[in-house]
Amino acid sequence: DAKTTQPTSMDCAEGRAANLPCNHSTISGNEYVYWYRQIHSQGPQYIIHGLKNNETNEMASLIITEDRKSSTLILPHATLRDTAVYYCIVRPLFQGAQKLVFGQGTRLTINP
Amino acid sequence: DADVTQTPRNRITKTGKRIMLECSQTKGHDRMYWYRQDPGLGLRLIYYSFDVKDINKGEISDGYSVSRQAQAKFSLSLESAIPNQTALYFCATSDLGGAQHFGDGTRLSIL
Repeated sequence: DAKTTQPTSMDCAEGRAANLPCNHSTISGNEYVYWYRQIHSQGPQYIIHGLKNNETNEMASLIITEDRKSSTLILPHATLRDTAVYYCIVRPLFQGAQKLVFGQGTRLTINP
Repeated sequence: DADVTQTPRNRITKTGKRIMLECSQTKGHDRMYWYRQDPGLGLRLIYYSFDVKDINKGEISDGYSVSRQAQAKFSLSLESAIPNQTALYFCATSDLGGAQHFGDGTRLSIL
């Protein structure tokens, strides 16, 4: 899996958009960008994934640059419950064992 | 994710005991996984199964065994528990699309 780089921590005010960046400059053509989060003491939660087009679902939006070397996860109206560690992962869609390798992630704190 | 249910949520037991952790899912996924999470070590894959007749070892399978009783059920056993198996255990499922959906975990303590 391609290596990713994320800021260690970020803060965001409640109700504002939280924009979480991820660099993945060595991404291969067949690799997707996945985002997960883990709230303390809970299981990791899948958020969204994409290849090259921007994606949106009920939780978030994913913006991938045209060269695919970086992406941004956007939580449009952050709430206190969005406080978590967010992980950006790059991997092929169909991969043998599909083991997830989480890096250090970004610890996002939503402030009242 | 309520679609992936793990039982028990917490368990304290003694060295040498046999323990079974259970996982059931209502997502209809063929693929299921068992991970453990330790502070500072991230997720490590123990076993995975791509369908009912398929069982594969992950990176840390020693001391563990699994059973895929049905598409929806995947259990993890510790035959003779030891203290360094104290960890947070997660079950996950996925379809071919690759996104994995996790249960809320089992916190296991072995004294």
